[in-house]
Amino acid sequence: DTGVSQNPRHKITKRGQNVTFRCDPISEHNRLYWYRQTLGQGPEFLTYFQNEAQLEKSRLLSDRFSAERPKGSFSTLEIQRTEQGDSAMYLCASSFAGVRTGELFFGEGSRLTVL
Amino acid sequence: SQKIEQNSEALNIQEGKTATLTCNYTNYSPAYLQWYRQDPGRGPVFLLLIRENEKEKRKERLKVTFDTTLKQSLFHITASQPADSATYLCALLHGSSNTGKLIFGQGTTLQVKP
Repeated sequence: DTGVSQNPRHKITKRGQNVTFRCDPISEHNRLYWYRQTLGQGPEFLTYFQNEAQLEKSRLLSDRFSAERPKGSFSTLEIQRTEQGDSAMYLCASSFAGVRTGELFFGEGSRLTVL
Repeated sequence: SQKIEQNSEALNIQEGKTATLTCNYTNYSPAYLQWYRQDPGRGPVFLLLIRENEKEKRKERLKVTFDTTLKQSLFHITASQPADSATYLCALLHGSSNTGKLIFGQGTTLQVKP
């Protein structure tokens, strides 16, 4: 069993550059979530997919952020024109919609540092 | 507005003692409350879930209580060990939510000293 996989684990970029993160969820899971976590804070919800449909986006997700989940499998989160305030850990999680209890399985995260 | 609060101060205890962490929430009607463990630089890992109609849940050395009147959950680790040192997050699934979206508290860091 290969849990949730995220790549890259670490990304250092200069302000203004674009970055893309990839998430491969647990294969039988149809729900996929992106969260952002800054130091000393809990994960903050960004967006959520059920299969390939993006069903909810947080107000935290500015127009510089875009997420996709083509074919309902892996997902990508792209940040355009990065700002220093984008520096954070970006966490992906997956779950199966048929399980009402909502337990999320998280990946190890992608840490972004914007210089 | 909806809010989840955990004690932001780190909890330092001696090995063998019981650690008790608190999660308070306001303006929520959660169907479930979950606890996760997070180690530095890693993603959160699910520990326990308790439903709104359950008062207490146990799993090995872990115990969770849920008081919907007080709007509070307590998370206990008995016979604590240095390996229990981590940040513990509580999370709520809103009672009317069909998305499975969880809202997290800020976490409490536990340090168990040998």
